[in-house]
Amino acid sequence: LAKTTQPISMDSYEGQEVNITCSHNNIATNDYITWYQQFPSQGPRFIIQGYKTKVTNEVASLFIPADRKSSTLSLPRVSLSDTAVYYCLDNAGNMLTFGGGTRLMVKP
Amino acid sequence: DTGVSQDPRHKITKRGQNVTFRCDPISEHNRLYWYRQTLGQGPEFLTYFQNEAQLEKSRLLSDRFSAERPKGSFSTLEIQRTEQGDSAMYLCASSLSFGEMNTEAFFGQGTRLTVV
Repeated sequence: LAKTTQPISMDSYEGQEVNITCSHNNIATNDYITWYQQFPSQGPRFIIQGYKTKVTNEVASLFIPADRKSSTLSLPRVSLSDTAVYYCLDNAGNMLTFGGGTRLMVKP
Repeated sequence: DTGVSQDPRHKITKRGQNVTFRCDPISEHNRLYWYRQTLGQGPEFLTYFQNEAQLEKSRLLSDRFSAERPKGSFSTLEIQRTEQGDSAMYLCASSLSFGEMNTEAFFGQGTRLTVV
């Protein structure tokens, strides 16, 4: 069973910032929070990972509050090519458990 | 190294036949995972290996499913007596595990199985 909860879908427009929030109600002390992106007919692709506070890379930012019960993936200035399914995970790595993901649709 | 490689990319088989899929992980990765994904759903964990040891297999969908990683490098997933409900994308992923730390998992392109 998935450990996380996230919105089923979101719509956005090109150039906007998109924030996708995930609930981690059963996160364990040694769990990291990881986000993956998946395009149709491809395997998931790692986006970003963090433990607490804020992490930023060339693709996205990840915000994790002090209680670690949620996380927010922030995609700056999305483009049409960011249309995909986004998954949040929290586990220590032994079994990466995916939920249903958030389907992001970026419109022109 | 070009990443995780899966073969074949597509497989069509008749119900009742056996199928075997191969996964070649990133060369230095000691951990290997198998997932199944059906349309509109997230990847469903099946099993994983640490080197050649299969550390979790309780999530394999039935006793018709088995996986091996005999030399700790490539892995195979076999489905015996296939059923139409086995039609799905089968994904392989690998990562590097050291102590309690694990790097992110890298996924292959998957093998799409169609059982007719």
